[in-house]
Amino acid sequence: EPEVTQTPSHQVTQMGQEVILRCVPISNHLYFYWYRQILGQKVEFLVSFYNNEISEKSEIFDDQFSVERPDGSNFTLKIRSTKLEDSAMYFCASIDRQGGTGELFFGEGSRLTVL
Amino acid sequence: GQQVMQIPQYQHVQEGEDFTTYCNSSTTLSNIQWYKQRPGGHPVFLIQLVKSGEVKKQKRLTFQFGEAKKNSSLHITATQTTDVGTYFCAGMNYGGSQGNLIFGKGTKLSVKP
Repeated sequence: EPEVTQTPSHQVTQMGQEVILRCVPISNHLYFYWYRQILGQKVEFLVSFYNNEISEKSEIFDDQFSVERPDGSNFTLKIRSTKLEDSAMYFCASIDRQGGTGELFFGEGSRLTVL
Repeated sequence: GQQVMQIPQYQHVQEGEDFTTYCNSSTTLSNIQWYKQRPGGHPVFLIQLVKSGEVKKQKRLTFQFGEAKKNSSLHITATQTTDVGTYFCAGMNYGGSQGNLIFGKGTKLSVKP
């Protein structure tokens, strides 16, 4: 079964460092998302991406965050200068198209720990 | 901002008992989805409800969408230990793009064998 893959599974970084989280969405999917989940809390939308540009972003997705699709398969989330409160599980997700079942396919997540 | 509230936060049941989680939005939703997240896992899609008053069933799971499209529920009949996990509702606003979901805080279900 096709799946969304994410790397790394866990990253530990020092406050102020840059982090890049990588995702490979399902190959025929066109819409890509980043969500985050602080430990034990709800899943929060960060950003959606379609046709090589951001479609929507939340208040959480400030200037420290950026997304990129550098090639035909990878979708990355960059945090320029990490803060302690950026510690969370970051989930990448994708959808094949608008409409249909609406199912968001989530990756296994990348756990970010900022020290 | 818009909120999606979900209760209860935790539910402990004996295997074989029923379980219900409730979701309430501060605004009318375009549709609502339900996800299950096993401990240490990622959210896995269960279902999407679109129509007012819609009821859908998946084996022992029954999902309802309220007439006003502001509330929803998930009911599990005769829980099993495999039902353990956190159940999230996630609403989508009118005019929002699919995938931009507002999640509730989830209901963590534990099942005692």
